[in-house]
Amino acid sequence: ETGVTQSPTHLIKTRGQQVTLRCSSQSGHNTVSWYQQALGQGPQFIFQYYREEENGRGNFPPRFSGLQFPNYSSELNVNALELDDSALYLCASSLGADRDHGYTFGSGTRLTVV
Amino acid sequence: GEDVEQSLFLSVREGDSSVINCTYTDSSSTYLYWYKQEPGAGLQLLTYIFSNMDMKQDQRLTVLLNKKDKHLSLRIADTQTGDSAIYFCAENFDYKLSFGAGTTVTVRA
Repeated sequence: ETGVTQSPTHLIKTRGQQVTLRCSSQSGHNTVSWYQQALGQGPQFIFQYYREEENGRGNFPPRFSGLQFPNYSSELNVNALELDDSALYLCASSLGADRDHGYTFGSGTRLTVV
Repeated sequence: GEDVEQSLFLSVREGDSSVINCTYTDSSSTYLYWYKQEPGAGLQLLTYIFSNMDMKQDQRLTVLLNKKDKHLSLRIADTQTGDSAIYFCAENFDYKLSFGAGTTVTVRA
């Protein structure tokens, strides 16, 4: 059983640029959530995808968008990058509403905006 | 609402027990989780408790839930150097997780 894999592991972008982060969910999981973890803080929910549809969204502006593909992998896109977007971006997968096993997290993508 | 609070730091001697405390605000949360994060890594699920339970034990880990006071704690017995990490309490609210800021646990010899 493979876990959640994210790519790239590290990324440096310039303010104003766009970035795409990728996530492959754990085998058998059909739900993907994205979280932003700023330095010294807990993860903050960005949005969740279930069966290729956005299933819920946190308090993030529209320049944060996502996709889920038929194989349940996912992308997080951020447009017009700002310095405050520098953070660890975590992807988590789950099997629908199976909260008994929580959410399996990837190791994250460390994004630095300069 | 979703507002999870934790103490920020805990220092414990190797072999002693660690107790990490957390308070949450949403009484409708059905699951509460403890995650561990080591430097440079993602989050590892340690354990969880369903809201109709008061206690759950899993090897060295004991979770206590006081639903009336919305207080959750994690006790780690016989704390080892490998337990040094950041521990996050999280409540499940509307299919998303709301996390505390994390408690940094340092184990000293």
